[in-house]
Amino acid sequence: NAGVTQTPKFRILKIGQSMTLQCTQDMNHNYMYWYRQDPGMGLKLIYYSVGAGITDKGEVPNGYNVSRSTTEDFPLRLELAAPSQTSVYFCASSYSNHNEQFFGPGTRLTVL
Amino acid sequence: AQSVSQHNHHVILSEAASLELGCNYSYGGTVNLFWYVQYPGQHLQLLLKYFSGDPLVKGIKGFEAEFIKSKFSFNLRKPSVQWSDTAEYFCAVNAKAGKSTFGDGTTLTVKP
Repeated sequence: NAGVTQTPKFRILKIGQSMTLQCTQDMNHNYMYWYRQDPGMGLKLIYYSVGAGITDKGEVPNGYNVSRSTTEDFPLRLELAAPSQTSVYFCASSYSNHNEQFFGPGTRLTVL
Repeated sequence: AQSVSQHNHHVILSEAASLELGCNYSYGGTVNLFWYVQYPGQHLQLLLKYFSGDPLVKGIKGFEAEFIKSKFSFNLRKPSVQWSDTAEYFCAVNAKAGKSTFGDGTTLTVKP
């Protein structure tokens, strides 16, 4: 049982490049989330999903896209990377709204 | 929109001192409340949670929190901190299904 896995761990992008951050969970959780964490700013919700085929915007969705074609996977897409997207990205999952979220190890992204 | 406010950005204590970290939220309906901890170099993990019943909840490692509905608060307490409690602490609220909001976090440094 690996929990929540994220790839890559680190990435450096040039302005305007695109990339996909991968997130997979093996706990059969319905809910999945993407957050970004900036220094001293806590976690900000980017997108979330309450089940396969269902996604919704969080607090800071601009510049990102997501899809949820399976229960296990919830990739986050950056289409045109900007320096403001330099951050640490965390994926999480939970069984329901009442239950705790389980977090992945994070992806540290730098856009230069 | 829901929001979470953590009053202390950085707390420094000596070992055996008592700890109280403040958390207030703004949302008029039913909420699920969580405290998470992030130890240096590790994932976020759950300390404790509340969604109904006894407003005083106990978590791991001797932590507890009290939900006071009239004050929209969910403060975290520990009677006697240890050096190993040095970490960042996050309060979180789930209101609408899937829409999770985190506070900015409190960094706790415990001096041996």
